[in-house]
Amino acid sequence: EIVLTQSPATLSLSPGERATLSCRASQSISDYLAWYQQKPGQPPRLLIYGASKRATGIPARFSGSGSGTDFTLIISSLEPEDFAVYYCQQRSDWRLTFGGGSKVEIK
Amino acid sequence: QVQLVQSGAEVKRPGSSVKVSCKASGGTFTTYPLGWVRQAPGQGLEWMGGVIPAVDTANYADKFQGRVTITADKSTSTAYMELRNLRSEDTATYYCARVTAYSYDNSGYYVSGYFDYWGQGTLVTVSS
Repeated sequence: EIVLTQSPATLSLSPGERATLSCRASQSISDYLAWYQQKPGQPPRLLIYGASKRATGIPARFSGSGSGTDFTLIISSLEPEDFAVYYCQQRSDWRLTFGGGSKVEIK
Repeated sequence: QVQLVQSGAEVKRPGSSVKVSCKASGGTFTTYPLGWVRQAPGQGLEWMGGVIPAVDTANYADKFQGRVTITADKSTSTAYMELRNLRSEDTATYYCARVTAYSYDNSGYYVSGYFDYWGQGTLVTVSS
């Protein structure tokens, strides 16, 4: 099973600041990585797939990069609605796995 | 627009079973797999398995193999997840989600993609 490790666990930032989230895979997964956003009481929402492709309707302030084992999600300028938990997920192996999540909270 | 509507909350006794449904609309049911992901209170996301309606094949995470069965009824565009021998640690919100792809090799078909549309979630509480 491919293990995804996300960091930091919590990121405290103010609106307008840049958020940088990391996801590291236990083995190479090429670019088979997605990012999701989850707000309390809601299901996750797909943000990024294929490591860098924005899903339909996702604002341009969200960008993903990386390949192999190291991946990054950047939110260029935090809006109030961006404070949430973010998860990465790999599809390189059919035993799909998620990272443990990173919470972006208001400072 | 694709919509996934799940059945309502359940309260179950330890040792019993639960069956959660997920009715799909707004797309062709057999085109994409459907997966199940659960989330314990305050915890992260955990993939349980999925089903490929087009070929009536299901795959399961190792952790749930033997205890979960995921099926799809093409006549009603509904997927089901049955979890047996429930314990308190199974208390969680269970989500169904459309999966963007599946793969095939010499061993068979596999649910293998990202989750692009999600149901609203079904809270299953296991308590004596």
